[in-house]
Amino acid sequence: SSELTQDPAVSVALGQTVRITCQGDFLGNYYASWYRQKPGQAPVLVLSGESHRPSGIPDRFSGSTSGNTASLTITGAQAEDEGDYYCSSRDTFGNHVVFGGGTTVTVL
Amino acid sequence: QVQLVESGGGVVQPGRSLRLSCAASEFTFSYYAMHWVRQAPGKGLEWVSVISSDGSKKYYADSVKGRFTISRDSSKNTLYLQMNSLRPDDTAVYYCARDDGSPRGAFDIWGQGTMVTVSS
Repeated sequence: SSELTQDPAVSVALGQTVRITCQGDFLGNYYASWYRQKPGQAPVLVLSGESHRPSGIPDRFSGSTSGNTASLTITGAQAEDEGDYYCSSRDTFGNHVVFGGGTTVTVL
Repeated sequence: QVQLVESGGGVVQPGRSLRLSCAASEFTFSYYAMHWVRQAPGKGLEWVSVISSDGSKKYYADSVKGRFTISRDSSKNTLYLQMNSLRPDDTAVYYCARDDGSPRGAFDIWGQGTMVTVSS
């Protein structure tokens, strides 16, 4: 199916590590990208593929893929990392794009 | 700086039409595929449509196929979304986004969004 599945919410203590997962049948064929969205703002790309971080995104953000599951890891989470995180990927045919339902990250 | 600015949103009655625009600046617009993504109030992101860099290829989400048309004018550095036969479930913030052109297929630049409300 053309779906990406994410856990609805996770929390992490300040300075600790959190992993957000994204599951989809075609993630073995296409890269996942990750976006953070804060309330009232547009999404911002934080990671594409397993390791490509745009300029300005700190290196505490990293990615990995295993089978049909992509993961975004925040190592040493900071208060500013709070927000909704969405994964995306191409779908089975590569012409369409699919987003996961989003994961709300709370830094305690 | 590299920027996308959407416009054209507003309140429209069901069944009517609306055209959104997305003005690009500070990058070579004609080099990049461009997307529309929407977000209904309180909901997640939904991909809507993509147009190739030269405008020859266009793809749509099933939810808008046959009703929405994506286009671009590289002489004006502007992306468009013509929305016809609007329905209440089309109510959303509409974002335009640049495809980074890499095999990763990420959206590296987003506009600030324009709100479309379909209501009688």
